[in-house]
Amino acid sequence: GEDVEQSLFLSVREGDSSVINCTYTDSSSTYLYWYKQEPGAGLQLLTYIFSNMDMKQDQRLTVLLNKKDKHLSLRIADTQTGDSAIYFCAETPQDGGSQGNLIFGKGTKLSVKP
Amino acid sequence: DAMVIQNPRYQVTQFGKPVTLSCSQTLNHNVMYWYQQKSSQAPKLLFHYYDKDFNNEADTPDNFQSRRPNTSFCFLDIRSPGLGDAAMYLCATSRFPGSGNYEQYFGPGTRLTVT
Repeated sequence: GEDVEQSLFLSVREGDSSVINCTYTDSSSTYLYWYKQEPGAGLQLLTYIFSNMDMKQDQRLTVLLNKKDKHLSLRIADTQTGDSAIYFCAETPQDGGSQGNLIFGKGTKLSVKP
Repeated sequence: DAMVIQNPRYQVTQFGKPVTLSCSQTLNHNVMYWYQQKSSQAPKLLFHYYDKDFNNEADTPDNFQSRRPNTSFCFLDIRSPGLGDAAMYLCATSRFPGSGNYEQYFGPGTRLTVT
């Protein structure tokens, strides 16, 4: 079945880079997404990558996709305390892809220490 | 600013007492989704509307219903809330593009407490 796996916790120091990893199972997913959720809030779309790309950079964010290994990562450069949040990886599975149903991982809680 | 609005932000209901959560959007998106998110878990899709076409997930309990009277509004009705239905309920919207990129835009959520 469809499954998206993420490590649950990551702790970094302010100014360091953070790397959040995700593995997914549906090789037919055409787009993969990263969402950020701050405490008590909804999900905010951070970035996405199309499956024919290996890398996408957007300011401090770099997404790497290894389609062969079904591995996705999000790198945050110069991590700030405001980056502390839960980060969700999501894929659009083939059978739900017709209307954009997303399968989310359980989220990685990023803690940034000053 | 175009956005997804959910009301109320916090809702307390009694065990078995029907409750309705609302969502509105100014993005004019075709698709609206309802997710349930329990503590420390991933959001779980309950159902979605593509325009007026309702799509229920196979494991969504019958206790959960939805209405979409027009493009802008969508409601989640919980007919007889149980203690296990306490969760954050997230509404999201997306366009229906030909590219297959369904960026979803989320509201702030409604936290439901069942007493």
